[in-house]
Amino acid sequence: DVKVTQSSRYLVKRTGEKVFLECVQDMDHENMFWYRQDPGLGLRLIYFSYDVKMKEKGDIPEGYSVSREKKERFSLILESASTNQTSMYLCASSRTMNTEAFFGQGTRLTVV
Amino acid sequence: AQSVTQPDIHITVSEGASLELRCNYSYGATPYLFWYVQSPGQGLQLLLKYFSGDTLVQGIKGFEAEFKRSQSSFNLRKPSVHWSDAAEYFCAVGARGGSQGNLIFGKGTKLSVKP
Repeated sequence: DVKVTQSSRYLVKRTGEKVFLECVQDMDHENMFWYRQDPGLGLRLIYFSYDVKMKEKGDIPEGYSVSREKKERFSLILESASTNQTSMYLCASSRTMNTEAFFGQGTRLTVV
Repeated sequence: AQSVTQPDIHITVSEGASLELRCNYSYGATPYLFWYVQSPGQGLQLLLKYFSGDTLVQGIKGFEAEFKRSQSSFNLRKPSVHWSDAAEYFCAVGARGGSQGNLIFGKGTKLSVKP
């Protein structure tokens, strides 16, 4: 089975902190994604990566950056956390473009 | 641009009753189609997918979905709901040959199950 592992289930950070959310997949997938999930808004794509060191902006990239130094690992970085970034963050990976994505268990981030 | 509409935000059914969750998509051609389920506080789990061929697709946990090209729909069904099916369900589309790479998700339908 494909496994996508997010480093933390719950995080509480202070406003202005730099926050790292880590995601690792074990199936050699080319594509990796970071989504944000908020009630009533569904899943919104923040960034995705289709290869090592490659990244593309999604629908809501402002206030975020990403890093993909190794194929299996995709990190989401909040440069200076703000309260409006309190949310559920979901990492996913897929083998090919536009086909099924496999999700991690999610990280619920609270910024206080 | 692609879009996915799940018209029902919240549905309540009795245990043992049948279920149908609606999904409509907007796309110029036939997309790849998916249904995911999310239990509270968890990630999304793939229930089933449609790429081509038979328009009635079987998935895990006794779910099935039917692709209807004429209606641009991909509705999810289950003949008899169990209390453990209470969760949020997301329909998603992927563009064939698209360059974006990611799936487009509907806003979800929350399913409650009455005993």
